[in-house]
Amino acid sequence: NAGVTQTPKFQVLKTGQSMTLQCAQDMNHNSMYWYRQDPGMGLRLIYYSASEGTTDKGEVPNGYNVSRLNKREFSLRLESAAPSQTSVYFCASSNRQGGSPLHFGNGTRLTVT
Amino acid sequence: GENVEQHPSTLSVQEGDSAVIKCTYSDSASNYFPWYKQELGKGPQLIIDIRSNVGEKKDQRIAVTLNKTAKHFSLHITETQPEDSAVYFCAASNFGNEKLTFGTGTRLTIIP
Repeated sequence: NAGVTQTPKFQVLKTGQSMTLQCAQDMNHNSMYWYRQDPGMGLRLIYYSASEGTTDKGEVPNGYNVSRLNKREFSLRLESAAPSQTSVYFCASSNRQGGSPLHFGNGTRLTVT
Repeated sequence: GENVEQHPSTLSVQEGDSAVIKCTYSDSASNYFPWYKQELGKGPQLIIDIRSNVGEKKDQRIAVTLNKTAKHFSLHITETQPEDSAVYFCAASNFGNEKLTFGTGTRLTIIP
């Protein structure tokens, strides 16, 4: 039982390049989330998917797109990377939306030069 | 929206002593308050949570207290051990995880 798996672990991009961060969970959870973590700013929600087939914006969605491919997989895409998107990205899942523990992956450290 | 402030940002305590981390929140409608522990190179992991109908909750060496009137909640770790060294995040929400607002984190270091 791997929990939440994120790939890649590290990535360096040049400004303007695109990439997709992958996330998969094997806990049969309904809800999935993408967060970014920046020094001194805690975790901020980028996008979430309450259930398969739905996605919604979080606190900081600009510059990102997401796809809930199926119940297991939720990907985050940067179409044209900017240095301000240098961050550590975490995917999480939960059984339901309300007051249910978030299960996080181990993160993707992204640097945009 | 909700605003969560967390203090201190760093905390060093001697092994065996207690550690206390405090958070305040702004939205009186918030009713769910989890605490997450993040070890180096890993994602955060839930260690304890409390809901607004409860004033205190304990789990072995960890306890959380909630004061709804003052809108603050605290994490207490007793008999600290080296493995307690990590970054701790508080959070608050009005029911939904999509509304979960995190504090800025406390780096706890246990000195052997």
